[in-house]
Amino acid sequence: KAGVTQTPRYLIKTRGQQVTLSCSPISGHRSVSWYQQTPGQGLQFLFEYFSETQRNKGNFPGRFSGRQFSNSRSEMNVSTLELGDSALYLCASSGGQGETDTQYFGPGTRLTVL
Amino acid sequence: TQLLEQSPQFLSIQEGENLTVYCNSSSVFSSLQWYRQEPGEGPVLLVTVVTGGEVKKLKRLTFQFGDARKDSSLHITAAQPGDTGLYLCAGAAENSGYALNFGKGTSLLVTP
Repeated sequence: KAGVTQTPRYLIKTRGQQVTLSCSPISGHRSVSWYQQTPGQGLQFLFEYFSETQRNKGNFPGRFSGRQFSNSRSEMNVSTLELGDSALYLCASSGGQGETDTQYFGPGTRLTVL
Repeated sequence: TQLLEQSPQFLSIQEGENLTVYCNSSSVFSSLQWYRQEPGEGPVLLVTVVTGGEVKKLKRLTFQFGDARKDSSLHITAAQPGDTGLYLCAGAAENSGYALNFGKGTSLLVTP
């Protein structure tokens, strides 16, 4: 089975721009979660989607949004980029129906905001 | 607010030494996971512990979940250079769905 894929792997943007990141989960997985990883804060949960519905949301401003398509692929969007948004953005997929369901992470998208 | 505190933050040891990494919280978790992450890659799951007091072994790695399900430890015996990486613990709080709370990680360097 192919793993979780994320595109693009690297991205450079300037302040004020917006960006869209994409995540393709493992085939058959219906849950996709997004995390932001920075040296100072570590990994922080952004949101989780299951069957095209946002099921859980972390403590991030409304500039961060996401969606999930019927094929379980997910996108996240960040509008009005700030320097502090520079981070590694990771998505993780899982079956989505068990309390201790394993989450499998993709390689991440490295976003740099100049 | 960091729900999970990991210690130590950095660890540099020589090949063959033993080490223990700790993950502590004041919150109860329905499960706790340990990941290893290498530069430029996403975290890779090592183990999931679910039951209080549970001990799991993965070759030279031993994982323990505290009786109260608030803390965990990872012990590596006879560390090897291939063990180098960032070790992360992550907990699923009860009724939090798939929102994992991560510690900031322990960066381990094993030199030959």
